[in-house]
Amino acid sequence: SYVLTQPPSVSVAPGKTATITCGGDSIGTKSVHWYQQRPGQAPILVISFGTDRAAGIPARFSGSNSESAATLTISRVRAEDEADYYCHAWDDSSDHQVFGGGTKLTVL
Amino acid sequence: QVQLVQSGAEVKKPGASVKVSCKASGYSFIDYDINWVRQAPGQGLEWMGWMNPNSGNTGYAQKFQGRVTMTRNTSIKTAYMELSSLRSDDTAVYYCVKGSDINNDYDFDQWGQGTLVTVSS
Repeated sequence: SYVLTQPPSVSVAPGKTATITCGGDSIGTKSVHWYQQRPGQAPILVISFGTDRAAGIPARFSGSNSESAATLTISRVRAEDEADYYCHAWDDSSDHQVFGGGTKLTVL
Repeated sequence: QVQLVQSGAEVKKPGASVKVSCKASGYSFIDYDINWVRQAPGQGLEWMGWMNPNSGNTGYAQKFQGRVTMTRNTSIKTAYMELSSLRSDDTAVYYCVKGSDINNDYDFDQWGQGTLVTVSS
């Protein structure tokens, strides 16, 4: 089955840039989506189809995708960005939706 | 605005079944897939399956085949997920999630608030 791999944790100081990666076989050929989940809340869509910011998401959030990994970048990180982030893609070979294991972003 | 409102928390005994509802509003219910995703305590997100509300067609994750059933009532814009033969490791928050299209290669653009299902003897 298809696997998406994320680092378990990323730490960043306020005002700096956080980078969260999502790896998988041929990931550059897939549509990758990113979600933010704050403690005790449902996830919300942050980035869709690799690069498109969802409605209401600040421009500090951006996404990219290459052959080696999809990346979520958060510029000028704020305390409110502290959350778990998940990548997601559809695996056409199994017709299954797949999530990465999640990355806990800590703002120092 | 687009909303998915789920039924309340449930406590079930091992071996029982649970049926969670998800009422949609603010968009055309039959035009977008509904998926179900669960999250065990302290764990990540796990996809369970999808349903096309127009046709009723479904697709389930291999892990849940034979135990999960996804249905809908289009007249009241409500989707349902029933999980049977419950075990303690089915204890989780269950989310209904709207897909942004109907061809599976889409994002999940709206999530329900989640329903906590606790399986305990």
